[in-house]
Amino acid sequence: SAVISQKPSRDICQRGTSLTIQCQVDSQVTMMFWYRQQPGQSLTLIATANQGSEATYESGFVIDKFPISRPNLTFSTLTVSNMSPEDSSIYLCSVERAGGMDEQFFGPGTRLTVL
Amino acid sequence: AQSVAQPEDQVNVAEGNPLTVKCTYSVSGNPYLFWYVQYPNRGLQFLLKYITGDNLVKGSYGFEAEFNKSQTSFHLKKPSALVSDSALYFCAVRDITGGFKTIFGAGTRLFVKA
Repeated sequence: SAVISQKPSRDICQRGTSLTIQCQVDSQVTMMFWYRQQPGQSLTLIATANQGSEATYESGFVIDKFPISRPNLTFSTLTVSNMSPEDSSIYLCSVERAGGMDEQFFGPGTRLTVL
Repeated sequence: AQSVAQPEDQVNVAEGNPLTVKCTYSVSGNPYLFWYVQYPNRGLQFLLKYITGDNLVKGSYGFEAEFNKSQTSFHLKKPSALVSDSALYFCAVRDITGGFKTIFGAGTRLFVKA
């Protein structure tokens, strides 16, 4: 298994500001992902964080709004930029160790509220 | 394009009775199928997966799921439900011909009554 920590666990932010969420894994992993989840609803993939290169974004998500870094195989950050109330959600970091056939492990999430 | 459907928003079952949470999928190639569970105020946890081989896979907490290729289904089952099984369950599919992206279903909330 993989143990994932996220910081912060929750935050309340003002409209127009930015928040950076950190994801730390206790072991090296091949794949790292960022998801968004409204409470009690499904997960929406924002992007795949690629080590040493630009993240791969899903339709509807852009780098200017959600810049992602992945400097090594155990750490990634997601920034939510120029926030609006519509960005209020739970942001989840997820990892897969080997790629392809492995299950994913999820962090505890960051609950973001934008006022 | 790959997709996954969970036709029931909610499933209610009495403790001790068998439970089934339904899932159907659509992929262009061979699917990798997963079930995850999310307990209240906790993160998602992996339950079981089907990659290849035996169509009946067993997972954590006494859960199992049956892969049915002709019906493109991967229903989650448990012979005897517990109140502690009450949670939100997600089916997920990965089509490796389209990369390693995993698509999650909408989720099914399971309520087990004592």
